[in-house]
Amino acid sequence: QKEVEQNSGPLSVPEGAIASLNCTYSDRGSQSFFWYRQYSGKSPELIMSIYSNGDKEDGRFTAQLNKASQYVSLLIRDSQPSDSATYLCAVNGDLTGGGNKLTFGTGTQLKVEL
Amino acid sequence: DGGITQSPKYLFRKEGQNVTLSCEQNLNHDAMYWYRQDPGQGLRLIYYSQIVNDFQKGDIAEGYSVSREKKESFPLTVTSAQKNPTAFYLCASSMINQPQHFGDGTRLSIL
Repeated sequence: QKEVEQNSGPLSVPEGAIASLNCTYSDRGSQSFFWYRQYSGKSPELIMSIYSNGDKEDGRFTAQLNKASQYVSLLIRDSQPSDSATYLCAVNGDLTGGGNKLTFGTGTQLKVEL
Repeated sequence: DGGITQSPKYLFRKEGQNVTLSCEQNLNHDAMYWYRQDPGQGLRLIYYSQIVNDFQKGDIAEGYSVSREKKESFPLTVTSAQKNPTAFYLCASSMINQPQHFGDGTRLSIL
């Protein structure tokens, strides 16, 4: 059974600080990694995707991938109250035959405090 | 506007009743997916389809059925065999091997 683990939180950070969200996965063959943001009562929204080791930056967001250690992280710089949400890590390990069978973590709740 | 449309937004099911959740996309995506989310839980895959007239079971397919007669549409039926149907149901679509994007979801409750 493929597993994706996240600390459920809540993770509380002050406004303007860096929020660091972590995710580990069990399937060493995983190829694609995604971070989704989900506001309370809403559907998930894709914010980052990463496919190779290293860092990928997009605005205030940086995704980091380390396949040897089987973890992926999301850094949010200059955190804003509007970043308060649950962040879901999703991992795709099955590319045979096409399609994305994603396994989701249970999410980390982030609270950005004024 | 391109997007994924789920309807209805809220749905109530009586005991012994089958209900169907609609999912339509105009993104020309090949693959479509149905997930279930329970409070405080991650998303669990119910069914997915990569091509018209073909679909596969996900991790929790029991008590559910789907069809894929058109590329744009992937309806989910929650049958009376699903004993704990109360959840937030999410439809997603993607091109093959590309990130998935979600509709706004349908909340299903039991009367």
